[in-house]
Amino acid sequence: EPEVTQTPSHQVTQMGQEVILRCVPISNHLYFYWYRQILGQKVEFLVSFYNNEISEKSEIFDDQFSVERPDGSNFTLKIRSTKLEDSAMYFCASSEPGTSGMRGETQYFGPGTRLLVL
Amino acid sequence: AQKITQTQPGMFVQEKEAVTLDCTYDTSDPSYGLFWYKQPSSGEMIFLIYQGSYDQQNATEGRYSLNFQKARKSANLVISASQLGDSAMYFCAMREGLMDSSYKLIFGSGTRLLVRP
Repeated sequence: EPEVTQTPSHQVTQMGQEVILRCVPISNHLYFYWYRQILGQKVEFLVSFYNNEISEKSEIFDDQFSVERPDGSNFTLKIRSTKLEDSAMYFCASSEPGTSGMRGETQYFGPGTRLLVL
Repeated sequence: AQKITQTQPGMFVQEKEAVTLDCTYDTSDPSYGLFWYKQPSSGEMIFLIYQGSYDQQNATEGRYSLNFQKARKSANLVISASQLGDSAMYFCAMREGLMDSSYKLIFGSGTRLLVRP
């Protein structure tokens, strides 16, 4: 069964460093997302991406964050200058285009990248 | 105001019994989707079940069913015949809006379920 993959599974970085989190969405999906989950808290939406552009972003997704689809398979989240409060699990998700019902709507999540900023 | 409310931070259930995890939502959009995800201790988010706001019947997926009460704005997850492997965090989530370009999900705070042998 197709699945979303993410690399690395864990990343430790120093405050102020840049990190790039990578995702390979399910191949026929056209909507891509990043979410984050601070330890012990709820999952929070960061950004959605469709047709090579951001379709929506949350207030968390400030100028330190950027997303890119550099080729036909990868989808990346870059944090330019990490802060301690960026420590979290980052999930990539993808869904099919606007087909109605479960098949079009369901977002399938990757296994996550656990980011620790020291 | 909370869009998705899960009032049970933790639940216990005996193996082989059924359990209901509560979820209420708040939206003024006529079109929305409701989802349940399972997050085991390993951390991944596993899709369990979906209910569309216009669906006439309650969704079922194997041992999972969704008790959708639209007037009460509730979408409770029912797990039948609980197994030890069902021990995990369970999140209710909602997509609201008339199929807008984002489809972002809004999550509740989760319920931790522990299945006792």
